[in-house]
Amino acid sequence: SQQGEEDPQALSIQEGENATMNCSYKTSINNLQWYRQNSGRGLVHLILIRSNEREKHSGRLRVTLDTSKKSSSLLITASRAADTASYFCATGKAAGNKLTFGGGTRVLVKP
Amino acid sequence: GAVVSQHPSWVICKSGTSVKIECRSLDFQATTMFWYRQFPKQSLMLMATSNEGSKATYEQGVEKDKFLINHASLTLSTLTVTSAHPEDSSFYICSAREGTLRSNEKLFFGSGTQLSVL
Repeated sequence: SQQGEEDPQALSIQEGENATMNCSYKTSINNLQWYRQNSGRGLVHLILIRSNEREKHSGRLRVTLDTSKKSSSLLITASRAADTASYFCATGKAAGNKLTFGGGTRVLVKP
Repeated sequence: GAVVSQHPSWVICKSGTSVKIECRSLDFQATTMFWYRQFPKQSLMLMATSNEGSKATYEQGVEKDKFLINHASLTLSTLTVTSAHPEDSSFYICSAREGTLRSNEKLFFGSGTQLSVL
């Protein structure tokens, strides 16, 4: 099974609401990253959190990491229609190592 | 930010033909590039790690003779799907890590190639 598994698989919200998605993983990691993918396009890096960090912010994004529970969450505050995309978590077991992607959460933000 | 260019964006080919996909890092050097395959509404499946000047490292279950990878320079990696069949139809995406610094953990992705084999 995949290293990272996300829930929910799909999320539909109104513009202005917050969107929260979670990622769980099985083995120890060096870092966890979140990426965004618009339909039929490549992925764009959003944020990276290292195993010794617990929370990071970037604009309207907030990421938490709980290594004891092997889980992470991505919060998008005050969502916009342009946030509609699929969001993937990816884990790296060691610095410079390959990343393993989770199943993704498809987010639909309705205007 | 770093830009990765992937071409073509889409390709339609007949069964039995070979298709080459290019992945270029435009403004940085990438000693390592990664090739993924993605089915509709699913996650990315890593196919292989492409290392400049050496053989690619393939993931378990990926046929190296079917998916030929060449990383001849620090800015170009190619994936050739040989003797393509309809089951090879998929979205292929490349990514690159900038330089060799261990601190450069994030990946930069190409825009993907939709391959349809008739």
